[in-house]
Amino acid sequence: DTEVTQTPKHLVMGMTNKKSLKCEQHMGHRAMYWYKQKAKKPPELMFVYSYEKLSINESVPSRFSPECPNSSLLNLHLHALQPEDSALYLCASSQEGTGEQFFGPGTRLTVL
Amino acid sequence: ELKVEQNPLFLSMQEGKNYTIYCNYSTTSDRLYWYRQDPGKSLESLFVLLSNGAVKQEGRLMASLDTKARLSTLHITAAVHDLSATYFCAPARYNNNDMRFGAGTRLTVKP
Repeated sequence: DTEVTQTPKHLVMGMTNKKSLKCEQHMGHRAMYWYKQKAKKPPELMFVYSYEKLSINESVPSRFSPECPNSSLLNLHLHALQPEDSALYLCASSQEGTGEQFFGPGTRLTVL
Repeated sequence: ELKVEQNPLFLSMQEGKNYTIYCNYSTTSDRLYWYRQDPGKSLESLFVLLSNGAVKQEGRLMASLDTKARLSTLHITAAVHDLSATYFCAPARYNNNDMRFGAGTRLTVKP
C-alpha cells in the first residue's frame, strides 16, 4: 500500500459542531503531518507527529486538536471552528532518510 | 526562521519553449523537495534533492540544488500543455523532519 487516505473528502459544519478528520497510511512511515491550505496559497504546516508523539505545533488555535492513536492513524478533532477555518486540510506521512512527504487527497472543510 | 522565495509566481509559456523556476531560501537546509499540484487536487512529489549539486530529471523537468547559494531551480524543457499546474518548492528545516513551502508558481502552457 503506497498511499495516504483521508476521510471524509468533504465536510460542512456549523460553528458549534464537533467533527473529526481522519488520515491513514500503511507505508510504515513514522512521521505524520497536518497541513491547512487556503485557495491559491501554499500548504501551511499545523502539526507534526514523530513516532506517535507530537513534535511540532505551529501555534495552532486550540479549536484544532490532533491525535495519533497509533503509527498508521492520525486524527484532527475540530470544535467551535470559525468560517475562516474553511480550507483544504491535507495529511502527509514521510519516510525516514529522505524525508519525502506523501500527501493524502485532502478534506475540503467548509465552516458555516 | 526559514523563509522561501519562489519566482516567478505566474508563468505563461508557449508549448515547445523552455523556462526556469527559481527557489531561494533564507537559512541552512540540507534537503529540498519539489511538488506539483493540479487545481482542486493534492500534492504530488516530483523531486527529492538531498545534497549540494544534486540534479534530478524526469521527462521534461529537471531540478537542481545549490545549498551554498541556497538556491534550487526547476527547468522546463519544450513545455507541453500537460505541465500546466502549480509547482511548489519546499526546503527542509535543517535537522528537522518538516519543510516550508514557497508561494508556488502557477504555470500555464498554451498551444
